[in-house]
Amino acid sequence: AQSVAQPEDQVNVAEGNPLTVKCTYSVSGNPYLFWYVQYPNRGLQFLLKYITGDNLVKGSYGFEAEFNKSQTSFHLKKPSALVSDSALYFCAVRYTNAGKSTFGDGTTLTVKP
Amino acid sequence: SAVISQKPSRDICQRGTSLTIQCQVDSQVTMMFWYRQQPGQSLTLIATANQGSEATYESGFVIDKFPISRPNLTFSTLTVSNMSPEDSSIYLCSSRTGGNTEAFFGQGTRLTVV
Repeated sequence: AQSVAQPEDQVNVAEGNPLTVKCTYSVSGNPYLFWYVQYPNRGLQFLLKYITGDNLVKGSYGFEAEFNKSQTSFHLKKPSALVSDSALYFCAVRYTNAGKSTFGDGTTLTVKP
Repeated sequence: SAVISQKPSRDICQRGTSLTIQCQVDSQVTMMFWYRQQPGQSLTLIATANQGSEATYESGFVIDKFPISRPNLTFSTLTVSNMSPEDSSIYLCSSRTGGNTEAFFGQGTRLTVV
């Protein structure tokens, strides 16, 4: 069964510092990997995805993620964090075009001024 | 990208009653989904809403409790029936087109059952 893990419930960084939010996925075929962000009292917003090709993908708001097949990881990164990046982040995996997505438990990112 | 309008945004309901949540997408989409989310926690898929046929429910969710309609490619409803306090949660509508596309989400319905 497909699964995705976000090992950190909470990540705290200072504004201007780089941030990393971790995600690992279960090995089963070729995954489609996604990152979503959820602000308070809002639905999820799409940030970026890896389908195939270049392992480094760039997305919205300056975020990027690197697909690492050997480590089965898809960590979300940003070179310089903003206070406004504080939110709940979800990693998701899907293995087929028609399949359903599985979401991680979420990581709360707090960026302090 | 698709824009999803979901309503109501929140409601407080009496136990034993039912609430119907509506989801309207601004473009035709292949797939629509309904999720449940406790605040600050992960998403649990309730069912896939199939256009013109019965929804496909996940383990632990049944049609009698969560009837779903999808009369066309842009609209779906989820009813939470015979509610109890345990049904208090956030309910999210999601959609995507086919292929390797990402999902889009409504803003959610925050349901409190008293």
